[in-house]
Amino acid sequence: QAVVTQEPSLTVSPGGTVTLTCGSSTGAVTSGHYPYWFQQKPGQAPRTLIFDTSNKHSWTPARFSGSLLGGKAALTLSGAQPEDEAEYYCLLSYSNTRVFGGGTKLAVL
Amino acid sequence: EVQLVESGGGLVKPGGSLRLSCAASAFTFSNAWMCWVRQAPGRGLEWVGRVKTKIDGGTTDYAAPVKGRFTISRDDSKNTLYLQMNSLRTEDTGVYYCTPDPPGATPWGQGTLVTVSS
Repeated sequence: QAVVTQEPSLTVSPGGTVTLTCGSSTGAVTSGHYPYWFQQKPGQAPRTLIFDTSNKHSWTPARFSGSLLGGKAALTLSGAQPEDEAEYYCLLSYSNTRVFGGGTKLAVL
Repeated sequence: EVQLVESGGGLVKPGGSLRLSCAASAFTFSNAWMCWVRQAPGRGLEWVGRVKTKIDGGTTDYAAPVKGRFTISRDDSKNTLYLQMNSLRTEDTGVYYCTPDPPGATPWGQGTLVTVSS
């Protein structure tokens, strides 16, 4: 089974920009892995922010964007807000499974 | 309002079995691939497995840690998804969520807690 890797933790200043990445043990992440990004706050269920690399839901704040960067999927937060402090998970699709990354704990300090 | 409500969790001894249910409302359940995702206490999300729609063959796929022990099924007439868990291990402890596969616009439910302990 593939292993999906994320930074364990990152810190961003309020108003700052940060990029979270999502890599695959099988090689470069492509649009064919249909990367998803989820946000989870303590005590809450996850919610989807980004689907299929870069598409947003109606509730996804405009400051979040998804892309492919250097062989990985990337989630960029531009203009961080205190309420963005959360755990972020990526999800990649393989031929007959999907695999979550280990999550990135993002602090806004 | 679209809703997913998981149930059936509880305390079970290692080696035991448990059956989880997920009742879906206000969306076309029969048209959706559905999956189970779990989260061990203080840990990350883990995709457990999925069942495709009847039109797509109704086949199932599982993550390696649960293959051969867990079985996912669906009853489209009841808009309900099931997870039969056998030969449970302590590492299966966690909150189990059901969602469409992949998880998309449908809000996640609150999950059901499974505790495997002697």
